[in-house]
Amino acid sequence: GENVEQHPSTLSVQEGDSAVIKCTYSDSASNYFPWYKQELGKRPQLIIDIRSNVGEKKDQRIAVTLNKTAKHFSLHITETQPEDSAVYFCAASIPLTQGGSEKLVFGKGTKLTVNP
Amino acid sequence: NAGVTQTPKFQVLKTGQSMTLQCAQDMNHNSMYWYRQDPGMGLRLIYYSASEGTTDKGEVPNGYNVSRLNKREFSLRLESAAPSQTSVYFCASSARGTSYEQYFGPGTRLTVT
Repeated sequence: GENVEQHPSTLSVQEGDSAVIKCTYSDSASNYFPWYKQELGKRPQLIIDIRSNVGEKKDQRIAVTLNKTAKHFSLHITETQPEDSAVYFCAASIPLTQGGSEKLVFGKGTKLTVNP
Repeated sequence: NAGVTQTPKFQVLKTGQSMTLQCAQDMNHNSMYWYRQDPGMGLRLIYYSASEGTTDKGEVPNGYNVSRLNKREFSLRLESAAPSQTSVYFCASSARGTSYEQYFGPGTRLTVT
């Protein structure tokens, strides 16, 4: 069935270290993989996304890698800062049978804590 | 631009009561979505509307109905609230469908007693 697994559920790092969050998906037809950041009490906001025709994408300290063969993708944050502390969600697009539309299935989230 | 707005911000209902959560966007987006967020469960899609005039079920539609009133507005109705519907509800919109950035509203925290 449609499933996105996300690991770890919690991650604690020291300021300046790197953080890596990994996700796997089950539907080989998935072709869009966004990452959302949610600060405490706030709404989720897109931080980076990648499409299936690209293996890696980078935006300053944030990068995402995609391995379509293995059906997994990862978020990499370098030089972490206390303001990176938040819950991060991965997601994968799942095609729907009707009308050619899609939906997003989210992982359960990773709570990242960056210690000063 | 206000982006995506939701009302109310907080609501407490008794079991069996009904209510409608309102959502509006001013970005001229075609697609709109309703999610619920429960601790440790991520975001789960309740219903979505790919374009004005269409609505479809998501992962967890039972106990909910939706109306895409026009291009701007997408409401979520609980006909007979149950404690299992205690959650934070987020509305979102995207320009052209799922494979584009979704912009979320601030959320509605609903408690059913």
